Amino acid sequence: AQKVTQAQTEISVVEKEDVTLDCVYETRDTTYYLFWYKQPPSGELVFLIRRNSFDEQNEISGRYSWNFQKSTSSFNFTITASQVVDSAVYFCALTFNQGGKLIFGQGTELSVKP
Amino acid sequence: SAVISQKPSRDICQRGTSLTIQCQVDSQVTMMFWYRQQPGQSLTLIATANQGSEATYESGFVIDKFPISRPNLTFSTLTVSNMSPEDSSIYLCSVGRLIQETQYFGPGTRLLVL
Repeated sequence: AQKVTQAQTEISVVEKEDVTLDCVYETRDTTYYLFWYKQPPSGELVFLIRRNSFDEQNEISGRYSWNFQKSTSSFNFTITASQVVDSAVYFCALTFNQGGKLIFGQGTELSVKP
Repeated sequence: SAVISQKPSRDICQRGTSLTIQCQVDSQVTMMFWYRQQPGQSLTLIATANQGSEATYESGFVIDKFPISRPNLTFSTLTVSNMSPEDSSIYLCSVGRLIQETQYFGPGTRLLVL
């Protein structure tokens, strides 16, 4: 079965704290792609990152970093020095070679307080 | 990334009526999808909109309730038929060129059924 689990439903931090959002996935496919999307209160879904199953290199983009570990089937997302504008729902998603369908986790609602 | 627009952005409808949502992309894309996001929930794929042929529906979604058209590679419509309050959701279209590439989402249509 293909599945994405985001065990953290809600996280609340104070500005400037670091925060890590967890994502665990299940798939039998050897080729797959993982994504993180951000959904601010306005509702649109903003793409953050894509990773393919053959690239386990971690990535850093400004205050954002991602840790992909195939051994634990995890693709965690860390925000360093969080800001109020980071407040949003964050979704981890998985796709594989079956038509491009995205399977989403339940989302983690991040609240950053000043 | 493609520029995606959806119309209407929001609507309030009476039960028993139907609403057609449009998704327009500024460039030709191979894949177009329709997702539903119920209040406080994650995104669930309704169907894949296939150009020139019938849409492919996910389990739990049927053509009579959610007819989809895709007349060309830049445009698709989703109709929510015979609406009930349970259909109150955000409906999002997404597009992509290849499975291994990123899917981008439209701004969504917020539907409230009274």
